[in-house]
Amino acid sequence: DQQVKQNSPSLSVQEGRISILNCDYTNSMFDYFLWYKKYPAEGPTFLISISSIKDKNEDGRFTVFLNKSAKHLSLHIVPSQPGDSAVYFCAASPGAQKLVFGQGTRLTINP
Amino acid sequence: DSGVTQTPKHLITATGQRVTLRCSPRSGDLSVYWYQQSLDQGLQFLIQYYNGEERAKGNILERFSAQQFPDLHSELNLSSLELGDSALYFCASSVAANPDEQYFGPGTRLTVT
Repeated sequence: DQQVKQNSPSLSVQEGRISILNCDYTNSMFDYFLWYKKYPAEGPTFLISISSIKDKNEDGRFTVFLNKSAKHLSLHIVPSQPGDSAVYFCAASPGAQKLVFGQGTRLTINP
Repeated sequence: DSGVTQTPKHLITATGQRVTLRCSPRSGDLSVYWYQQSLDQGLQFLIQYYNGEERAKGNILERFSAQQFPDLHSELNLSSLELGDSALYFCASSVAANPDEQYFGPGTRLTVT
């Protein structure tokens, strides 16, 4: 039962453009959502998070949007840079319990 | 560098064997989490310890066990290994019991032959 789904295994974006990574969830008990970024041969690193009481959170070039009615969140990266090429994982937490991760989306930024 | 260390980096062993993976959390972090990432899969939560006590359990097999020691380092023991146990095993830590904003180690790659 995949409670957190990232339906795009990969995404390719031109440098300078916007990258939009999507994530859907099924469990309405999820109240905290996070995005992690992972480079090869390294562990995931925390990028940005959002509580279910908000619908948007911004940190520099990264913005996360949450649509609770659609059970959908997205990560926007503007402008995209070559160093953003990595695997991005969406994760969700039901009431300060364990994190449930999606399968990841590999983002490639082309020069 | 997240401050979380994991040893060994790589481990190759045979089916039926037992291995121990070790994790040292960031200084000051009381929670340790273990995850398994198989090929092309997301991270599957296995187990969490907080200040020496088991706090949450995920999809951890009965052949696997973990503990957190008084100095807060943690070990994940995998026994009666099967080919399907080949995966990356990540340890993460956080300050509090809440699983938000975890810091991940570089992982241990386990290959079972």
